[in-house]
Amino acid sequence: DMKVTQMPRYLIKRMGENVLLECGQDMSHETMYWYRQDPGLGLQLIYISYDVDSNSEGDIPKGYRVSRKKREHFSLILDSAKTNQTSVYFCASSLSGGAPLSEQYFGPGTRLTVL
Amino acid sequence: QQQVRQSPQSLTVWEGETAILNCSYEDSTFNYFPWYQQFPGEGPALLISIRSVSDKKEDGRFTIFFNKREKKLSLHITDSQPGDSATYFCAASDNYAQGLTFGLGTRVSVFP
Repeated sequence: DMKVTQMPRYLIKRMGENVLLECGQDMSHETMYWYRQDPGLGLQLIYISYDVDSNSEGDIPKGYRVSRKKREHFSLILDSAKTNQTSVYFCASSLSGGAPLSEQYFGPGTRLTVL
Repeated sequence: QQQVRQSPQSLTVWEGETAILNCSYEDSTFNYFPWYQQFPGEGPALLISIRSVSDKKEDGRFTIFFNKREKKLSLHITDSQPGDSATYFCAASDNYAQGLTFGLGTRVSVFP
C-alpha cells in the first residue's frame, strides 16, 4: 500500500521556537515536496527535493529550510517560527519531478500553530 | 496573479445530479492537469488526470473535458453521491515544472 506519512499530525509552538516536521514515503519516489495550505490561498509549494541532498526552492521558501539525507525521508525546518507560519503543511512525493511522471501522492498533513 | 483559476468557489447539488466544476489556466506550457479530492482533515488525493494531448478522460462517474485552445477544463461528477462531498482542486504542471500549481478549489456539497 503506497503511503506518505507525516509526523507529528498536530503541533503547537511558541514564536521563536524551532520546528521540525517529518515526512516519509515507502514508494522509492525520487521527488518529494513540501506545501502549505491556507484558507483563500490554496496549496503553495515551499520546497522540492529531486533526490538526496538535491533541493530546490519553491514559490514561498522564505523562513523555511529542508533536509533530505535518505530518499524516503524529507524534513521541513522552521528556525525561529513566526505566527504567520501557522498553517497546515503537506508533504507529497512523486516518481519524478516533471510530467509525465509527476502524479503526486500527499500525506495527511501537519497542523502547526505558532503562538 | 492566479495561474490556475477555479469556479465556482462552492457548489451544492442533490444526490443523482451532475456536478460541473470549472478550471482555467494561464500558462500555455502546462500539459498535465490532475484533479485532487480533499476531505476535511485529510491530504489531497489524486482523483483523475488528463494530459493536453487528450480532450476527454473518463474514470467511472468522473470525467474531465479539456479545451486546449481556450485553456479551459472541467470536471463532471455524474450521479453525485453524498460521499462525493469534498473540496476539489484543479492543478497543472509542465514537463519541467517544480511541483504543481493549484487552483483555490471548489467545495462540493451533495445532499440526499
